[in-house]
Amino acid sequence: AQTVTQSQPEMSVQEAETVTLSCTYDTSESDYYLFWYKQPPSRQMILVIRQEAYKQQNATENRFSVNFQKAAKSFSLKISDSQLGDAAMYFCAYRSAGLGGSEKLVFGKGTKLTVNP
Amino acid sequence: SQTIHQWPATLVQPVGSPLSLECTVEGTSNPNLYWYRQAAGRGLQLLFYSVGIGQISSEVPQNLSASRPQDRQFILSSKKLLLSDSGFYLCAWSVRPYGAFFGQGTRLTVV
Repeated sequence: AQTVTQSQPEMSVQEAETVTLSCTYDTSESDYYLFWYKQPPSRQMILVIRQEAYKQQNATENRFSVNFQKAAKSFSLKISDSQLGDAAMYFCAYRSAGLGGSEKLVFGKGTKLTVNP
Repeated sequence: SQTIHQWPATLVQPVGSPLSLECTVEGTSNPNLYWYRQAAGRGLQLLFYSVGIGQISSEVPQNLSASRPQDRQFILSSKKLLLSDSGFYLCAWSVRPYGAFFGQGTRLTVV
């Protein structure tokens, strides 16, 4: 079974600085998707960024980018120019992409990000 | 565009009472549907998922059940609530190759 591990329960960053959140995963599959979700205090889950495993190029969405290392099974999220509104829980998630693969979306336990003014 | 509706937003129920949480999706066909539970400050625990009408996969044996009577409707139920059923319940939908999109959640307190 696939597992997702976020080893940093909490992180903090100064406003306007850059922070990197770590995520590792375990799978025997070669075709899959990886995601980062943000959950602010409202508890609404928001999709931040998506990476397809077959793509070598790292995904980028404005100030959010990932460092996808397929061989190392690592998928970190970099937030540049951190803003107060970035403060939230961040969850890393995995989903199989291959035919016959599981439709489950597996989440890590999350990292709580605090942004200091 | 696709939207997901989940209700109610907040619910307080006595121990032993029944439960029905409903989730509907608009703007897409044959989505995968999911029910997650989240304890305060914790991660998301997958409870059930469905790949089609009447097809339910249960991840955690417990006091809850799920049903999918229509393509875009997913219901979470219990015949008799326990104190341990308290939590934040999230419904989500997805279609490949996209990630899941979540409802607003239901905060359930069993008293």
